Amino acid sequence: QKEVEQNSGPLSVPEGAIASLNCTYSDRGSQSFFWYRQYSGKSPELIMSIYSNGDKEDGRFTAQLNKASQYVSLLIRDSQPSDSATYLCAVPKGAGNNRKLIWGLGTSLAVNP
Amino acid sequence: GAVVSQHPSRVICKSGTSVKIECRSLDFQATTMFWYRQFPKKSLMLMATSNEGSKATYEQGVEKDKFLINHASLTLSTLTVTSAHPEDSSFYICSANPGGGNYGYTFGSGTRLTVV
Repeated sequence: QKEVEQNSGPLSVPEGAIASLNCTYSDRGSQSFFWYRQYSGKSPELIMSIYSNGDKEDGRFTAQLNKASQYVSLLIRDSQPSDSATYLCAVPKGAGNNRKLIWGLGTSLAVNP
Repeated sequence: GAVVSQHPSRVICKSGTSVKIECRSLDFQATTMFWYRQFPKKSLMLMATSNEGSKATYEQGVEKDKFLINHASLTLSTLTVTSAHPEDSSFYICSANPGGGNYGYTFGSGTRLTVV
């Protein structure tokens, strides 16, 4: 089992719809979770972080965490063509303040006008 | 917000030459810098972790003599690709954690290296 898993996609949604991106992780002791967006040819950009069970909302983005199921998701409401990118789930591993991130392979999202 | 400035953004070099990539933390002290490589349409691959004032820790399979990392100050880390070959052509990205603990990691804008 991979440490962090995501569906590779591509996930295609029409403009205005809700895009749902999923991520599972294997380390039950993980405490923090990050969602990054990466446009083609660009570096990753942090869009959401979540640490507690439940939902966390920021604008059109909602992160959902379920530690019992080892599952974290990202919902994008009112999807726009500019949301078309690869979304990466990342989980810090190890101890200390500068732990390395374990990455999922990313889900490619295409929002169709 | 916390910014990691990475230069150059794009470089083309001849095979056999060396290339240095710089990453500076502009408004925070980066005790640790992570260096990644990414091939087209592939996932991020962590190459090494550099710590200020000490030797870098390289991931398995990464040649430390080829990818020299220096982290001489709390705001500057450099990656030098020595004796570059066409197979080293890739997108190199640095990253640091401005807040420590559970805060998100900030990325540099990346360096597109092409070896001809």
